Amino acid sequence: GAGVSQSPRYKVAKRGQDVALRCDPISGHVSLFWYQQALGQGPEFLTYFQNEAQLDKSGLPSDRFFAERPEGSVSTLKIQRTQQEDSAVYLCASSQGAGNTEAFFGQGTRLTVV
Amino acid sequence: QQQVKQSPQSLIVQKGGISIINCAYENTAFDYFPWYQQFPGKGPALLIAIRPDVSEKKEGRFTISFNKSAKQFSLHIMDSQPGDSATYFCAALGSNDYKLSFGAGTTVTVRA
Repeated sequence: GAGVSQSPRYKVAKRGQDVALRCDPISGHVSLFWYQQALGQGPEFLTYFQNEAQLDKSGLPSDRFFAERPEGSVSTLKIQRTQQEDSAVYLCASSQGAGNTEAFFGQGTRLTVV
Repeated sequence: QQQVKQSPQSLIVQKGGISIINCAYENTAFDYFPWYQQFPGKGPALLIAIRPDVSEKKEGRFTISFNKSAKQFSLHIMDSQPGDSATYFCAALGSNDYKLSFGAGTTVTVRA
């Protein structure tokens, strides 16, 4: 595709529900990043993949958060037993090489936990 | 804690005026400083970026000024247009790193 695609665009989850957020990076991009953006704040790093390898998951807030990229392309961010504090926009970004100097962001998934 | 501090939180400028957004950092390992523009409902888009070996970079109406000794950098939007109304984020990245550290953002409103 032309850019990074994320789905769904909006997700409302009841507290305690599990959710899965999908990211389709730009074709051929090696690096993939997930960021969390709280309302009125800048994005905060969650995790980084280089191809299928998850090289850094230090930003994941708790063990309820899990990300995968099994074939080095599409990635899924899963949140188990959602809590109200998980409400945020989840952004995916990809870049052609290793690193982040030319990262392209998707439109994000706005998650609201009620 | 936030590694990049950004100000102001918001600003309003008349069409044709200059918008100035300032950022400061502490980590001297940072060596790449991009600015992102974000419209409502969209993801951040790279606008312009600078490395510490230059003090200024200009692209069209957008200019980054960089002061290495003060660990500060700023974005100037010249001849501001209503279409520039958006939230702007400064960010920083270390040379052997991949985690962008973002500022909190500045919402710019350009009045016609």
